[in-house]
Amino acid sequence: AQKITQTQPGMFVQEKEAVTLDCTYDTSDPSYGLFWYKQPSSGEMIFLIYQGSYDQQNATEGRYSLNFQKARKSANLVISASQLGDSAMYFCAMREGIAGANSKLTFGKGITLSVRP
Amino acid sequence: ETGVTQTPRHLVMGMTNKKSLKCEQHLGHNAMYWYKQSAKKPLELMFVYNFKEQTENNSVPSRFSPECPNSSHLFLHLHTLQPEDSALYLCASSQEGTGGTEAFFGQGTRLTVV
Repeated sequence: AQKITQTQPGMFVQEKEAVTLDCTYDTSDPSYGLFWYKQPSSGEMIFLIYQGSYDQQNATEGRYSLNFQKARKSANLVISASQLGDSAMYFCAMREGIAGANSKLTFGKGITLSVRP
Repeated sequence: ETGVTQTPRHLVMGMTNKKSLKCEQHLGHNAMYWYKQSAKKPLELMFVYNFKEQTENNSVPSRFSPECPNSSHLFLHLHTLQPEDSALYLCASSQEGTGGTEAFFGQGTRLTVV
């Protein structure tokens, strides 16, 4: 079974509007972390936001927020006030186990976001 | 500037060639990783090094040979590759053991095997 599922086709959003990118995950480990990365055409993976499984509040980082619904095992990324520079591939990833215990990331297939002027 | 630098950015090699990819991190991290990103597939973890010791080899063919001489440098030696090995190879680093969270990635080496 896939551990990280990103099923949306290419997403389009109008500049200055908000957009939600979906991510569901599967794990039986009570300790895990969820990440979102952005990959522009240059190839670099840019860290955006992190949510720990025990965090009580949804993570926020500037225009990025994570809608964490633990019971549904979903960790959707919300980008507010989209900018043209937000056009990129977006990857959801998960680390199972306690941070620092030889952890590694499992990635989803990614979602392409295009921001229209 | 991400703190993780990969060279070369682009590489074209024949199936009989030997080449090496280099990764250097300036973040003082103790763990480094090689990932492979093929078209339309999720990133695949290849190797993990913690404190210069290889802690994971994700069933990678022996034509890929990693080397980690110190905590700041990671190499991926390539020989007798196949066309299906063409992909973007990403290096990452993280600080393990202190509750560190995110991994920092380099810009990748886009490899084409002809």
